[in-house]
Amino acid sequence: QKEVEQDPGPLSVPEGAIVSLNCTYSNSAFQYFMWYRQYSRKGPELLMYTYSSGNKEDGRFTAQVDKSSKYISLFIRDSQPSDSATYLCATSTGTASKLTFGTGTRLQVTL
Amino acid sequence: DTGVSQDPRHKITKRGQNVTFRCDPISEHNRLYWYRQTLGQGPEFLTYFQNEAQLEKSRLLSDRFSAERPKGSFSTLEIQRTEQGDSAMYLCATRDIAGYNEQFFGPGTRLTVL
Repeated sequence: QKEVEQDPGPLSVPEGAIVSLNCTYSNSAFQYFMWYRQYSRKGPELLMYTYSSGNKEDGRFTAQVDKSSKYISLFIRDSQPSDSATYLCATSTGTASKLTFGTGTRLQVTL
Repeated sequence: DTGVSQDPRHKITKRGQNVTFRCDPISEHNRLYWYRQTLGQGPEFLTYFQNEAQLEKSRLLSDRFSAERPKGSFSTLEIQRTEQGDSAMYLCATRDIAGYNEQFFGPGTRLTVL
């Protein structure tokens, strides 16, 4: 069993929809939680970063972490075709530690 | 463009050949990480350096793989006697240990072993 589980999708939504992406993890030592976006044939870029449980909002993006259930979520409001990409959740045990990634969810936002 | 560069962007090689990849980090970043990403999977950690010291290696890093970071600047990842299972995207990421906790990823080197 992988330490971080993520539904690979693909997930297809119409433009303007609210998107919900989720991951679960098994290692209680994970303290830092991130969401990366990866366009085809590019390196991942950081979208959201959260320490411990709680919510964080940045524009159309909201990240949620529930450490009691080991559940990580990313919500995208008013989704745009430019949001079409693979979204990777990632965790780490420390601020400078290696990242452990989920498999990534491929999102397609259609016109 | 994050400021992390990798060379080459693509490499096609025959099984059994040796290949070397290079990563040039953002200049003030003293931590450098290597990850491997296969199709449909998330990146998997291989190894990381703080300055020139290699601090951790994954069990994924077989004895055919070696990484260096001379003088704490650029890093190289060498794969000896390549196998078809080595075909993947090799990603380099860097961060400033004193700064924000973001790992900046390069564009990756896509390796195809025939």
